[in-house]
Amino acid sequence: DSGVTQTPKHLITATGQRVTLRCSPRSGDLSVYWYQQSLDQGLQFLIQYYNGEERAKGNILERFSAQQFPDLHSELNLSSLELGDSALYFCASSARGRGYTFGSGTRLTVV
Amino acid sequence: GENVEQHPSTLSVQEGDSAVIKCTYSDSASNYFPWYKQELGKRPQLIIDIRSNVGEKKDQRIAVTLNKTAKHFSLHITETQPEDSAVYFCAASNPFGNEKLTFGTGTRLTIIP
Repeated sequence: DSGVTQTPKHLITATGQRVTLRCSPRSGDLSVYWYQQSLDQGLQFLIQYYNGEERAKGNILERFSAQQFPDLHSELNLSSLELGDSALYFCASSARGRGYTFGSGTRLTVV
Repeated sequence: GENVEQHPSTLSVQEGDSAVIKCTYSDSASNYFPWYKQELGKRPQLIIDIRSNVGEKKDQRIAVTLNKTAKHFSLHITETQPEDSAVYFCAASNPFGNEKLTFGTGTRLTIIP
């Protein structure tokens, strides 16, 4: 157990729908990062939050949004889903000076 | 921003031989360089990291070297075993900036029995 919890593990939904992915960071970590990994691809950075505030933004689509709550858990909202959004979505957390710890990911399948 | 290039994209080695994966980075302010191993369908896991105040770090069969002047760092795996087969990602960050890791594109390592 890495200490970073992601739910759900698997999600199957139809095109046009909206889903929410949830992440609880490792205890004490203030930063949360979201990454998208399509089949056989690298880790595409989506967005970073630090202690409730957005800190960095990557190639995140306008259909996607995220937030980090006062208890430091984070949610990634994906709307108007398309087939191409099917991917593994990873959350990671870190504390200053330490590397990332990744969660087990949410596998999203859009049909 | 930071840009990390990783080579090769695929690597096959005979069991027992050594494997070397190389990365270059662009931001001279980066000073933290971790390596992650990702098995199929699983989360990336940190296997070793190095900070800019050292040139080499070793952990059993795995070692990382860093050349700050040339802005490149490498992962060395010796006496490779079938369980070393995975995708390996290098990354770089400035821990005193926003701490975001910039990842390389990954190397698929296959160990041939």
